[in-house]
Amino acid sequence: EAGVAQSPRYKIIEKRQSVAFWCNPISGHATLYWYQQILGQGPKLLIQFQNNGVVDDSQLPKDRFSAERLKGVDSTLKIQPAKLEDSAVYLCASSGRGRTDTQYFGPGTRLTVL
Amino acid sequence: GNSVTQMEGPVTLSEEAFLTINCTYTATGYPSLFWYVQYPGEGLQLLLKATKADDKGSNKGFEATYRKETTSFHLEKGSVQVSDSAVYFCALSPIQGAQKLVFGQGTRLTINP
Repeated sequence: EAGVAQSPRYKIIEKRQSVAFWCNPISGHATLYWYQQILGQGPKLLIQFQNNGVVDDSQLPKDRFSAERLKGVDSTLKIQPAKLEDSAVYLCASSGRGRTDTQYFGPGTRLTVL
Repeated sequence: GNSVTQMEGPVTLSEEAFLTINCTYTATGYPSLFWYVQYPGEGLQLLLKATKADDKGSNKGFEATYRKETTSFHLEKGSVQVSDSAVYFCALSPIQGAQKLVFGQGTRLTINP
């Protein structure tokens, strides 16, 4: 079974530029998550989708971050404009519908904002 | 609110030593508890989990018991190997609302031969 795919793996941009990350979840997984992991910290949930609807985006900085999940499968996370403090690893995860279903994580995209 | 606190790292041990990584949590109700591991160059993967009080999760020689009375979920292994070197994250999933995970800050473990 293929795992969660993410691209790109690495990205370096200047502040105030825009950037987009892509995630393809495990086939059949209804729930998709985006987490932000700042160096030395644990991952923090940014947004959760159930199919193509948003379940939780309470910690998403909506003035600069946006995310969508087209047709309930792939998802894109965008930052516009980027700030220095956005430097982090952006992790995508997916799971089934059940509350105790295991979340499977992708390899992440490491973003450096200069 | 919901939060997880792990013991500060980094932790360095010799091969075959006994390992304990402490984890305590704050949550309303009865969350599910998890340990995730991140090996060098790899993504996060689930190590073990427990969904109710007194449950013991176990995998690859690691164990953790859900202790409601002390709000703890300490990770233990009787004899560590060099291949256990990784970053370990304790996490909870609140009983209410979404399935999101709330993570601790991670503990880096290095095992020397």
